[in-house]
Amino acid sequence: KQEVTQIPAALSVPEGENLVLNCSFTDSAIYNLQWFRQDPGKGLTSLLLIQSSQREQTSGRLNASLDKSSGRSTLYIAASQPGDSATYLCAVLGPNTDKLIFGTGTRLQVFP
Amino acid sequence: DTAVSQTPKYLVTQMGNDKSIKCEQNLGHDTMYWYKQDSKKFLKIMFSYNNKELIINETVPNRFSPKSPDKAHLNLHINSLELGDSAVYFCASSSRGPYNEQFFGPGTRLTVL
Repeated sequence: KQEVTQIPAALSVPEGENLVLNCSFTDSAIYNLQWFRQDPGKGLTSLLLIQSSQREQTSGRLNASLDKSSGRSTLYIAASQPGDSATYLCAVLGPNTDKLIFGTGTRLQVFP
Repeated sequence: DTAVSQTPKYLVTQMGNDKSIKCEQNLGHDTMYWYKQDSKKFLKIMFSYNNKELIINETVPNRFSPKSPDKAHLNLHINSLELGDSAVYFCASSSRGPYNEQFFGPGTRLTVL
């Protein structure tokens, strides 16, 4: 049974810092991994999707890496801003299913 | 706007009532999902439909019945609501296949009193 864990559960940093959020999963036979952002009381916004054959994806100040064999992904946020404050969720698809298995989330606060 | 939309955004109701949540996507996707986010913010899939056909049905009480009139709509009907049903329900959609990105609606916050 696939299990997804995210650490840390919460993170508070000053504006401008570079930071890394971690995601680990127990079964490496995944199809893809998605990183989402959730603002309080809002829906999920897809940030990055990494296919199982890829090692990383980049979008603006965000970079996500995937090491399937070790069951790990990281989301790197460069030059953090207060607007980055949100909960970040990773989710894996598979194996052998269309359902996303979500991690527990990292609640990020970036203060000015 | 191209998106996944849900109605209503908020739903407050008494125990024992029956309620429905509607979901529509105009992304041209053929697979739609319902997820539940509990009070601890943990997200878990409930159902998945592909071209109006049920694909995934997790261990969900049969008081929950999804209905897909066409591939752009997936509604969730809940009978005999219980206190434990209070949660945020998210609809999502994607193209068919294991490599496709899922897009989520804004969520419906259900409160059962």
